[in-house]
Amino acid sequence: GQQLNQSPQSMFIQEGEDVSMNCTSSSIFNTWLWYKQDPGEGPVLLIALYKAGELTSNGRLTAQFGITRKDSFLNISASIPSDVGIYFCAGYSGGSNYKLTFGKGTLLTVNP
Amino acid sequence: NAGVTQTPKFQVLKTGQSMTLQCAQDMNHNSMYWYRQDPGMGLRLIYYSASEGTTDKGEVPNGYNVSRLNKREFSLRLESAAPSQTSVYFCASNSWRGETQYFGPGTRLLVL
Repeated sequence: GQQLNQSPQSMFIQEGEDVSMNCTSSSIFNTWLWYKQDPGEGPVLLIALYKAGELTSNGRLTAQFGITRKDSFLNISASIPSDVGIYFCAGYSGGSNYKLTFGKGTLLTVNP
Repeated sequence: NAGVTQTPKFQVLKTGQSMTLQCAQDMNHNSMYWYRQDPGMGLRLIYYSASEGTTDKGEVPNGYNVSRLNKREFSLRLESAAPSQTSVYFCASNSWRGETQYFGPGTRLLVL
């Protein structure tokens, strides 16, 4: 089946630093989604990308849908302690069942 | 507007016991999904229901059954629980833009 390679697996940064993570695939996706999961909670949608080349921001978060439709990245600027959590990418390749393929997540730790 | 709700939040079972995890959404979404999340494995799809009255197997359906009771509710049943089913279970539903899924808070299940 389809797989998403998400990197890095984990990051440990200082408060105020910028962060970048990405997802790549050997398959084309029509939609890329980025989720954040706080400890003990369910994933929460951060950003949805629907067109190749699209660049979308949500506060300090910026995500891009790669031109090849096989990758996406998420940047977080000026990190703060509440950015701690697991960040997941997800891709949708088509079909009426709307099934998503998920990356395995990036664990972000922010040192105050 | 509660979004996606799940009950119970926590459950401990003995091997061989049965239980049903409940999920409900109040957003009038058509499709609903059950995932399990295990360390290092990301989110894996167990079953999904593309619309009321239909259900289909996902990536890891063995040992589970589902019921789409109505448009709002989608339950997951473990008929004879096994320690390998110890996990965190998430229910999700999709938006009018079908590929954007919204998650519940999760059910943490321990099978002894």
